[in-house]
Amino acid sequence: GQQLNQSPQSMFIQEGEDVSMNCTSSSIFNTWLWYKQDPGEGPVLLIALYKAGELTSNGRLTAQFGITRKDSFLNISASIPSDVGIYFCAGGYYGQNFVFGPGTRLSVLP
Amino acid sequence: DGGITQSPKYLFRKEGQNVTLSCEQNLNHDAMYWYRQDPGQGLRLIYYSQIVNDFQKGDIAEGYSVSREKKESFPLTVTSAQKNPTAFYLCASSILLRGAANYGYTFGSGTRLTVV
Repeated sequence: GQQLNQSPQSMFIQEGEDVSMNCTSSSIFNTWLWYKQDPGEGPVLLIALYKAGELTSNGRLTAQFGITRKDSFLNISASIPSDVGIYFCAGGYYGQNFVFGPGTRLSVLP
Repeated sequence: DGGITQSPKYLFRKEGQNVTLSCEQNLNHDAMYWYRQDPGQGLRLIYYSQIVNDFQKGDIAEGYSVSREKKESFPLTVTSAQKNPTAFYLCASSILLRGAANYGYTFGSGTRLTVV
């Protein structure tokens, strides 16, 4: 099936640093989603993007829908320990199931 | 509060046995989904259903079965035919608005199945 690529696969950062990650696809989407999964729990929706070029914030999180509609970006500012987890992107097109990326595993060092 | 509930949280199964994972939602969502997650990996779609009494295979349906007798419920049976069933199973649901923007999935908290 269709696949998304997420980069980086994992990252270790110091508390207080900013984080950037991205998600790319060979196909266009009309919706991009970003989820966070804590260990042993289900993913929780962080941000939803519905328009190419759209920039949306949720607290310290900012996500962008790429102009080409084939990519999306997530930034986390001033990271804190509770930001630890796996961040998944998902792309969706009209009437089709969402496709999920493999995730970016974030670790925050105190 | 509306949400999606998976039970049990942890499940142990002997080899050769079937086991059923429960998923219930009170969000009035049309569609429901089952995903499998293995350590360090992403989400793989097992089955999905967009309407009662109808469901479709996902990417890894072999060894699994589902039913959708009620809008609120979408149980997953892991059969003895599933060769490597130990994994974390996630259920999700969503609104379906055809021709409009896709709405995101709401996930349950998962069931960890271990074969002993």
